[in-house]
Amino acid sequence: EVQLVQSGAEVKEPGESLKISCKTSGYTFTNYWIGWVRQMPGKGLEWMGIIHPHDSDTRYSPSFQGQVTISVDVATTTTYLHWSSLKASDTAMYHCARRGDNWFDSWGQGTLVIVSS
Amino acid sequence: QSALTQPASVSGSPGQSITISCTGTNSDVFSYNYVSWYQQPPGKAPKLIIYDVSYRPSGVSHRFSGSYSGDTASLTISGLQAEDEADYYCSTFTTSHTLVIFGGGTKLTVL
Repeated sequence: EVQLVQSGAEVKEPGESLKISCKTSGYTFTNYWIGWVRQMPGKGLEWMGIIHPHDSDTRYSPSFQGQVTISVDVATTTTYLHWSSLKASDTAMYHCARRGDNWFDSWGQGTLVIVSS
Repeated sequence: QSALTQPASVSGSPGQSITISCTGTNSDVFSYNYVSWYQQPPGKAPKLIIYDVSYRPSGVSHRFSGSYSGDTASLTISGLQAEDEADYYCSTFTTSHTLVIFGGGTKLTVL
């Protein structure tokens, strides 16, 4: 069974750094892209970027380029989303999802990030 | 700015059928062959219910169907049930197949 398990909720202050994770299992990790999706409170889904674990090829939405960094650890089949300096506007639920051919077929449970002073 | 436009909300009574539209504002950019639909119940993660316009993943009810005409993709839910109450999102890739776009989402209320 394909599973994507995300790290727990985080409460941070503006300016702090943060890395959240998405641990996958049940399939060959290096065969599928993994994407990240932001969902601000009460709002819709926004695609942030995607990475291929085989070669770490990474594509970012123009809206998120330079704002976050996506990385992978093949040894632990884990994908990461990293902020170097959080802003209050980063407060949101963040989902990871596995990309099939042209769709996202498996999703993590989401990680809530709250940024507040 | 390219976007996928969905109605903010739709509603229907149990047993009825509803259709949610998804219209691209720049058809030169989107790959309409790759439209997918996601269901997100309140407080839960999204779930794939339609891919490549009209295909259902294993385990998804036959009450869900997808189609495409012109610049608009559509999701139809027949025989509405209370459990269908959720937010629904369309999505596709750009023609370069490098970027992903989501529609703004539609809240379905089952009356």
